[in-house]
This record gives sequence, structure tokens and C-alpha cells, in this order.
Amino acid sequence: EVYLAESGGRQVQPGGSLRLSCAASGFTFSNYWIHWVRQPPGKGLEWISRVTTEGRGTDYAASVRGRFTMSRDNTKNFAYLQMYALRPDDTAVYYCARSLTSGSGDFDYWGQGTLVTVSS
Amino acid sequence: QSALTQPASVSGSPGQSIAISCTGTSNDIGGYDYVSWHQQHPGKAPKLLISRVSNRPSGVSDRFSGSKSGNTASLTITGLQAEDEADYYCNSFTSSHNVVFGGGTRLTVL
Repeated sequence: EVYLAESGGRQVQPGGSLRLSCAASGFTFSNYWIHWVRQPPGKGLEWISRVTTEGRGTDYAASVRGRFTMSRDNTKNFAYLQMYALRPDDTAVYYCARSLTSGSGDFDYWGQGTLVTVSS
Repeated sequence: QSALTQPASVSGSPGQSIAISCTGTSNDIGGYDYVSWHQQHPGKAPKLLISRVSNRPSGVSDRFSGSKSGNTASLTITGLQAEDEADYYCNSFTSSHNVVFGGGTRLTVL
């Protein structure tokens, strides 16, 4: 069974850093692009980043470009989101998801999400 | 990249049909056949309903269908059921090689 699980979310002060992890199992991880999508409390979904199958290519939403870095380790079946210079408006549930079609938004499997709270 | 435009809310009675629109530009919906729809119940992760404008993944009810005309995509739900009450999100691939979501639509089954 396909399974994605995020971890690493916690409360952090503005300006701080945090690394989220996404553990994958039940499928050939290296065959799929992986994405991060976030959802602020009570608000809608926002796509924020993705990494290609081999990890050589990444793209980011304008709201996080230059502050967030996404990577993956296909030997461990993990994807990561390194977040720097965190701001209160980064507060959200962060989901990792895999896409059916390379870089598009057809996310057929999602994790359960991990909550990041940016507050002093 | 601006978010795609969806109505904030729609409603319908059990058994009825409803449609949710999703409007973008020629740089996203109008330029690519990579429109997806997801359903999200409160406190749950989203679930993929439609990919590539009109494709239903295995296991998704055929009461859900998708279409596109120009810069606007639509999700139609027929034979409304109580369990369809949820938030619905469209998204599209963009010319910036990103993905952009709509703001979401809350469906209420009366």
C-alpha cells in the first residue's frame, strides 16, 4: 500500500529554521515527482515546491523561493523541505504528495500533514 | 502566479447536480490540459477526484466529472449525496512550470 508520512513540524520563532521530512513506502519512490503543499489554518491549499524523480530539478512558489529548499534521497525513500527565515504567514499544515503526471498537480497520494507554527 | 478563481460556496439538495467553476488564464488552464480536482473533508488530507481535465482515477465515483473550455475548468457532481459535503479545489500546471490552486469551494448538501 502506498504510504506517505510527514514529520518535523513544530513551533518555531520568526526567523528560525526547520526541516520537514516525508517518508514514502509501498511504491517505487524514484519513479515519481514529489511535491509539498501547505494549508494555513482555515484556509485553502497552496502548492509550494516539487522535486523531479532523480532530485536534479526543483521548482518553488514565489512565496517561498529563496527561503525553502526541497531535496530527496532515493536510497532512503525520503523527501525533505528545508525552511529558512520562517515568517508567521508560513504557519500551516504541510503535506507531501506524489503526482501521477511528472510536474502537474494530480496528487494521487498525500501524507497526513505536519503542522508548522511560526510564532514567538 | 495568482490563484485560480473558484466560487466560495455552492449548495444543492440530495440527488441534484451541481457544477463548480475554476477560472484561470492562458498561462495555466487555457494553455495546458493539466487541470486536477481534489476533495477535502474537514481535518483530512485532500483526495484526487479528477486529473488531466477529465480523467477519473480508479475508485472515484462516476458521479464526478471534469471538463474545460478556454480558460475555465468545471467539476460536475451528479446525484448529490450527503458525503459529498466538503471543500473542492482545482489546480493547474502553469507556464512557470509551477502548480497553482484555486481558492477552494465549500459544497453544502442541503
